[in-house]
Amino acid sequence: DTGVSQDPRHKITKRGQNVTFRCDPISEHNRLYWYRQTLGQGPEFLTYFQNEAQLEKSRLLSDRFSAERPKGSFSTLEIQRTEQGDSAMYLCASSLGGDSPLHFGNGTRLTVT
Amino acid sequence: DAKTTQPNSMESNEEEPVHLPCNHSTISGTDYIHWYRQLPSQGPEYVIHGLTSNVNNRMASLAIAEDRKSSTLILHRATLRDAAVYYCILRAYQTGANNLFFGTGTRLTVIP
Repeated sequence: DTGVSQDPRHKITKRGQNVTFRCDPISEHNRLYWYRQTLGQGPEFLTYFQNEAQLEKSRLLSDRFSAERPKGSFSTLEIQRTEQGDSAMYLCASSLGGDSPLHFGNGTRLTVT
Repeated sequence: DAKTTQPNSMESNEEEPVHLPCNHSTISGTDYIHWYRQLPSQGPEYVIHGLTSNVNNRMASLAIAEDRKSSTLILHRATLRDAAVYYCILRAYQTGANNLFFGTGTRLTVIP
């Protein structure tokens, strides 16, 4: 399978703990995106990378959230001091440049207890 | 950002055509109209996009009104696998905008 892969698929953590998610994009895609989706809502944009540079961040991305894409390949999204409101599906997508469509992974479902 | 308006839900019988409407009255001249769908427990999947002319691909057709203030996604023969939430999104042409606004979409139910 050469699609976008995300790990883990599910994560349960206690409030206050830190969590990290990984995304492996389609190999030739230079753009990588993180979105968050809560129940009954559409995905909401969090941040975007072009190669290793983080070029855009949503105001949804509080200072407890940090994303990296070292070497312009895989990406990690870390949430520090998790809160119950962080419970959501975290989706990663990648694309080629320009107006190319986004290819999404199947997400990491985070539950904060 | 220009937004879109879609019905919350629609139903279709299996093997019949489905027309999913989208209103985007504040669309700008450089906005492409994109459609994605999200099957249960999966990430969104690209379906089709267009600017002014109608578009066809193996998944669906996209009919765009002459004034571009509305569009319709057409599934020619609905199958049970087409049951999903369908999102109509405007995306700026020049920047290939990255903060796509998905909204809540239309939940399509396909009745066997």
